Amino acid sequence: ELKVEQNPLFLSMQEGKNYTIYCNYSTTSDRLYWYRQDPGKSLESLFVLLSNGAVKQEGRLMASLDTKARLSTLHITAAVHDLSATYFCAVEETSGSRLTFGEGTQLTVNP
Amino acid sequence: DTEVTQTPKHLVMGMTNKKSLKCEQHMGHRAMYWYKQKAKKPPELMFVYSYEKLSINESVPSRFSPECPNSSLLNLHLHALQPEDSALYLCASSVTGTSFSDTQYFGPGTRLTVL
Repeated sequence: ELKVEQNPLFLSMQEGKNYTIYCNYSTTSDRLYWYRQDPGKSLESLFVLLSNGAVKQEGRLMASLDTKARLSTLHITAAVHDLSATYFCAVEETSGSRLTFGEGTQLTVNP
Repeated sequence: DTEVTQTPKHLVMGMTNKKSLKCEQHMGHRAMYWYKQKAKKPPELMFVYSYEKLSINESVPSRFSPECPNSSLLNLHLHALQPEDSALYLCASSVTGTSFSDTQYFGPGTRLTVL
């Protein structure tokens, strides 16, 4: 059974600071997704990482994938309040279509 | 148009009621999904339809009955629900839902309360 672990689960950071969210998974997969969810809202797709060494960047967020270590990171640069949300990583099983989500990281950026 | 729509936004129902949730997409996607999400938890997969056929049922109780009338529509019929079924129900779609990896696009969800 595929297990996905995120840490930290809660992250409170100051504006302007950098931080990294980690996503570990238990079985072979080379497809990993990052989603953002605002309170009471749906999930917004942020990044799709499809191969070992993949790196994607959008604004202050950068995601990377190391399939050998079964690890993805979401790096936040110079955080701003608008980034406050819950961030989920999700790993796709090699059989396709089934996503297993991590528990989510609740990020709060304080002024 | 990368939009998945869901109706209603909110639904309150009694344990003896029958209701339906609806989901629609016009992106030409051939895979559609139902998820259940409790507060402060990740989404849990319930059903997957691929090319209008049910391909995954995650051992969901029979009081939840999915239906895919055509490639753009997905329904979830609800009957004799329990209070613990109260949650946010999310619909998603993706291009193929096969081993080809493609992003799932989520709708805004239906907030269901069972009294």
